[in-house]
Amino acid sequence: DGGITQSPKYLFRKEGQNVTLSCEQNLNHDAMYWYRQDPGQGLRLIYYSQIVNDFQKGDIAEGYSVSREKKESFPLTVTSAQKNPTAFYLCASSRQYPHTEAFFGQGTRLTVV
Amino acid sequence: DAKTTQPPSMDCAEGRAANLPCNHSTISGNEYVYWYRQIHSQGPQYIIHGLKNNETNEMASLIITEDRKSSTLILPHATLRDTAVYYCIVRVGSSNTGKLIFGQGTTLQVKP
Repeated sequence: DGGITQSPKYLFRKEGQNVTLSCEQNLNHDAMYWYRQDPGQGLRLIYYSQIVNDFQKGDIAEGYSVSREKKESFPLTVTSAQKNPTAFYLCASSRQYPHTEAFFGQGTRLTVV
Repeated sequence: DAKTTQPPSMDCAEGRAANLPCNHSTISGNEYVYWYRQIHSQGPQYIIHGLKNNETNEMASLIITEDRKSSTLILPHATLRDTAVYYCIVRVGSSNTGKLIFGQGTTLQVKP
């Protein structure tokens, strides 16, 4: 089935370690997004990519990095520079045009101890 | 960037219509209004979107005012499974740069 897959669902890391979250889609979508969600809060945009080998910072990009080497994949690295990395991370993808909905993965809950 | 404003919470009786308002007074002419909902600890689910005409699908109806400064999502017969956080989003920019900016959303509680 077509869809967007995030892995793992739960991730634990020690403070100071970099960690990479996976996001894969087989929907042939050009655009992909990463969001962060804290308890009781809305989604905040970290990075987004409109096309392969290109991406833009969202509202809270500091401490994060991404790559878009393949259309299907948009991994997010949470670096040690991110001061409060514990959060729920959501990946999404969409077509650029015509306007259609974005599809979300089920999220990765990252806990840094 | 266009921003949205929603009430933080609303209640609705099961079987009744739920009307969720959203203000987007700075929306530009080529920006679409999208609605998503998020059930606890899951990824958001698309509901509906529109530009300036009212829209209806199997899940909901979207009413956009003529000046496009506000919209209302209507769930015609709310069920307990409709309890969720509902997000009104303006897709920013042209069709080639359409990033999705989420607001705080409205927590809809459907009660028996």
